[in-house]
Amino acid sequence: AQKITQTQPGMFVQEKEAVTLDCTYDTSDQSYGLFWYKQPSSGEMIFLIYQGSYDEQNATEGRYSLNFQKARKSANLVISASQLGDSAMYFCAMREGRSSGSARQLTFGSGTQLTVLP
Amino acid sequence: DADVTQTPRNRITKTGKRIMLECSQTKGHDRMYWYRQDPGLGLRLIYYSFDVKDINKGEISDGYSVSRQAQAKFSLSLESAIPNQTALYFCATSDSGRRAEAFFGQGTRLTVV
Repeated sequence: AQKITQTQPGMFVQEKEAVTLDCTYDTSDQSYGLFWYKQPSSGEMIFLIYQGSYDEQNATEGRYSLNFQKARKSANLVISASQLGDSAMYFCAMREGRSSGSARQLTFGSGTQLTVLP
Repeated sequence: DADVTQTPRNRITKTGKRIMLECSQTKGHDRMYWYRQDPGLGLRLIYYSFDVKDINKGEISDGYSVSRQAQAKFSLSLESAIPNQTALYFCATSDSGRRAEAFFGQGTRLTVV
């Protein structure tokens, strides 16, 4: 089964509007972390935001916020006031908190290509 | 200078050739990773290393090998390159803390012809 599912291969949003990128995850661990990364056309991976499974409040970083619904196992990224520079591929990722012996590596979703329209 | 540096940035090689991708970091992190990215598949883990003496296979290690020459250096080798290894390769590092955010290199675009 997919550990991270991003069901939107592509999304369009008008400049200055808000947009939500969906992410659902699957884990039996109680302790885990969820991440969002941005990949512009230049190719680098840019960290955006982190949510720990025990964090009570939804994470926010500037125009980015994470809508964390633990019972539904979803961790949607909300970008407010979209800008042309937000056009990029966005990846959701999870790091599970297994016992020692695991590298606790990131598992990635397949990504959502966001296009911001002027 | 970037915290995580990959060389080369782009490479075209022929089928059957051996090729090495190199990664060095100045983050001081113990953990290093190699991922490959293919369109529509996200990033998949090839190998990871806890420290110099600890190397582990990831999800898609067949056809690849790695070497952790020092805490700061982690190289990926394709012993006999094949066309379906054409991809974008990323090196990443993280610490061992609770969050353990991954820091990525700029990526190496490899084409096997």
